[in-house]
Amino acid sequence: EDKVVQSPLSLVVHEGDTVTLNCSYEVTNFRSLLWYKQEKKAPTFLFMLTSSGIEKKSGRLSSILDKKELFSILNITATQTGDSAIYLCAVENSGYALNFGKGTSLLVTP
Amino acid sequence: EAQVTQNPRYLITVTGKKLTVTCSQNMNHEYMSWYRQDPGLGLRQIYYSMNVEVTDKGDVPEGYKVSRKEKRNFPLILESPSPNQTSLYFCASSPLNIYEQYFGPGTRLTVT
Repeated sequence: EDKVVQSPLSLVVHEGDTVTLNCSYEVTNFRSLLWYKQEKKAPTFLFMLTSSGIEKKSGRLSSILDKKELFSILNITATQTGDSAIYLCAVENSGYALNFGKGTSLLVTP
Repeated sequence: EAQVTQNPRYLITVTGKKLTVTCSQNMNHEYMSWYRQDPGLGLRQIYYSMNVEVTDKGDVPEGYKVSRKEKRNFPLILESPSPNQTSLYFCASSPLNIYEQYFGPGTRLTVT
């Protein structure tokens, strides 16, 4: 059975801190790993990762995938209060099914 | 404007009364999917569809039906809703490579 585990489940940091969110997975016939940000509404797409070792970057956010060790990390540098959200990791298998982790709830305090 | 729409946004109903939550997208996406989100359980996929007349079960399909008669629409049907189907439901669509799923605004369903 496919499984996606995110850690930590929740995190509280001060503005300006750097955070690392983790996502480990077990999936049959891995196709891609995706990161989403969810504020008080629907999730919005952040990154899609398919290859090991290639960092994806968007502003202060970056992510990398390790297909040998079956995990991905999402880094946020110089955090801002607007980064407060639930961050979701999802893994897609070759059959196009998506399996989401339970999410990491991040709170950035001023 | 490119979007995924869901209706209704909020629904309170009683056990056993059939209901349909509609989902429509205007981006000509092949892939559409339904999720439910519950506290502590995250997002779980109910059903997905890769194209018209092609649907597949996700992780939690029991108690739900879907149909994909047209590319733009993917309704979620609860034939006999039960209280354990009280949840926040999201519809999403994307091109077939699922590079970026566009999520609808969500439907908050309460079954009493």
